[in-house]
Amino acid sequence: DAGVIQSPRHEVTEMGQEVTLRCKPISGHNSLFWYRQTMMRGLELLIYFNNNVPIDDSGMPEDRFSAKMPNASFSTLKIQPSEPRDSAVYFCASRRGRAKNIQYFGAGTRLSVL
Amino acid sequence: AQTVTQSQPEMSVQEAETVTLSCTYDTSESDYYLFWYKQPPSRQMILVIRQEAYKQQNATENRFSVNFQKAAKSFSLKISDSQLGDAAMYFCAYWGINAGGTSYGKLTFGQGTILTVHP
Repeated sequence: DAGVIQSPRHEVTEMGQEVTLRCKPISGHNSLFWYRQTMMRGLELLIYFNNNVPIDDSGMPEDRFSAKMPNASFSTLKIQPSEPRDSAVYFCASRRGRAKNIQYFGAGTRLSVL
Repeated sequence: AQTVTQSQPEMSVQEAETVTLSCTYDTSESDYYLFWYKQPPSRQMILVIRQEAYKQQNATENRFSVNFQKAAKSFSLKISDSQLGDAAMYFCAYWGINAGGTSYGKLTFGQGTILTVHP
């Protein structure tokens, strides 16, 4: 299995630009999570999908952030417009079912907003 | 709300020695899971070990074992025979089943402990 695949690995952009991060979960996994990791706040859950439906987006910082999961094999996290304080590592994780809740993480996208 | 606390920002150990990383958590739920994840410099988050709260026996995975003290809400990770490849940031994480018996799926992470292994 290829694991959770995130792209790009690194993203550098200028303030005000739109940024789209992508995630392909492990085949057969029905839950998908987006996390943000910063030095100050550690790892925070941004949004959680179950069977492609957003279940809880209370962690999304503000309206500039949006996430979609159009099908079981693809999700995007979009920031528009981006700001320097959005600079962080963004992780996607997926999980099969819910019984044992092992979340498998992607390698993350390091976002730098200048 | 559940909280997870790792009181050791940094730890170090000599190769082949044993080190213990501490984690405490706060919850009102009776059923939950606890995890240790490892994040090496590559950034990849890797599951090290998992403990189910209703199981009294401490989980072990090769050189990794936990000391789960449910009453004290403590969940420490012991790494035996430390290897250079163990150097990483280690995160303790909590996942709970709410009163309705549903598994929400949200992992709450501690702040992490940076482990350095000296040759």
